[in-house]
Amino acid sequence: EIVLTQSPATLSLSPGERATLSCRASQSVSSSLAWYQQKPGQAPRLLIFDASNRATGIPARFRGSGSGTDFTLTISSLEPEDFAVYYCQQRTNWPITFGQGTRLEIK
Amino acid sequence: EVQLVESGGGLVRPGGSLRLSCAASGFTFSSYAMSWVRQAPGKGLEWVSAISGGGGSTYYADSVRGRFTISRDNSKNALYLQMNSLRAEDTAIYYCAKRVASIVATISHFDYWGQGTLVTVSS
Repeated sequence: EIVLTQSPATLSLSPGERATLSCRASQSVSSSLAWYQQKPGQAPRLLIFDASNRATGIPARFRGSGSGTDFTLTISSLEPEDFAVYYCQQRTNWPITFGQGTRLEIK
Repeated sequence: EVQLVESGGGLVRPGGSLRLSCAASGFTFSSYAMSWVRQAPGKGLEWVSAISGGGGSTYYADSVRGRFTISRDNSKNALYLQMNSLRAEDTAIYYCAKRVASIVATISHFDYWGQGTLVTVSS
């Protein structure tokens, strides 16, 4: 099973700041990594798939990068609605696995 | 507009059974692999099971293999999860999720999710 480790567990920033979230895989997942955003009481929302492809309707301030074992989600300038929990997910091998999440909170 | 609506959750005793359903609309259901993903209260996301578009291939997390069965009825645009021998640790919100349109493989990312249905296993 591929283990995805996200860091940091919690990130405290202010609106307008830049956010950098990390996801590290226990073995190479090539570019088969996605990022999701989840707000309380809501289903996850796909932001980025296959490492760097923005999903439909996702603002350009969200950018995914990386390949192999190290991946980054960058939010260039935080908006109030961006404060949420973020998960990464790999689709290279069964079972599909998710990271444990990074909570992005308002400082 | 793609819609996924889960139903069938509820309170069940340990060892009991439950069948979840997911009604799909707004896309060609039979062309898309589907998955169930769960989230225990206050915890992260856990993939549970996946099924290919035609239903011929199924995949399970080790934690549910042998107890849960995924199936689909393409004539009804419906996805199912039969859950047997339920345990307290199966308590979670269960989401059905559709594979990303541009990814042909069954193993995929998920571009649409339902609102989830809560399963509580408790005596």
